[in-house]
Amino acid sequence: AQSVSQHNHHVILSEAASLELGCNYSYGGTVNLFWYVQYPGQHLQLLLKYFSGDPLVKGIKGFEAEFIKSKFSFNLRKPSVQWSDTAEYFCAVVSGTYKYIFGTGTRLKVLA
Amino acid sequence: GAGVSQSPRYKVAKRGQDVALRCDPISGHVSLFWYQQALGQGPEFLTYFQNEAQLDKSGLPSDRFFAERPEGSVSTLKIQRTQQEDSAVYLCASSLNSYNEQFFGPGTRLTVL
Repeated sequence: AQSVSQHNHHVILSEAASLELGCNYSYGGTVNLFWYVQYPGQHLQLLLKYFSGDPLVKGIKGFEAEFIKSKFSFNLRKPSVQWSDTAEYFCAVVSGTYKYIFGTGTRLKVLA
Repeated sequence: GAGVSQSPRYKVAKRGQDVALRCDPISGHVSLFWYQQALGQGPEFLTYFQNEAQLDKSGLPSDRFFAERPEGSVSTLKIQRTQQEDSAVYLCASSLNSYNEQFFGPGTRLTVL
């Protein structure tokens, strides 16, 4: 069965620190990849997505992610985090169907 | 409205009660999805509609769970004889079609006592 692993469950950073959140998936075929963010008290929002083409994807609010097919990874990065980035981040994979397979999420806390 | 809306936002039920959760998708979105998110977990797929047709209900955990979208717009997820393990956030999402990005509602937090 397909699965998505997010290895960091809780991350605490100071403002201006660099961020990298890991995401690995288990499916070997063609995949579409997503990062969603959930700010406190708000609904899930799309940060960025990869369908095809350039494996380095840029999203909103300065986030980017790199699809490395050989490593089955789609890690999320941001060079300098802000306090307002405090949220929960979910990686999701879709392979050939409409079913999103989500990871368990990473809670990021940014200290001002 | 501009986004997906869900009601109620919070629901407390006694074990054995029936509940109904409503989802209003984005206007014009053909595809509608329900997910269940348990505490500390990511959302898990429950069911999928294309217009009024329920094309996939493989994620529904038991026959106590039932979903409908009779006119291809608003959808209702019904849980009969609720159990404590049904406590979770129930998310609704819609998309233009099944292969586009999904837009999520705020969820309904169900607590079964």
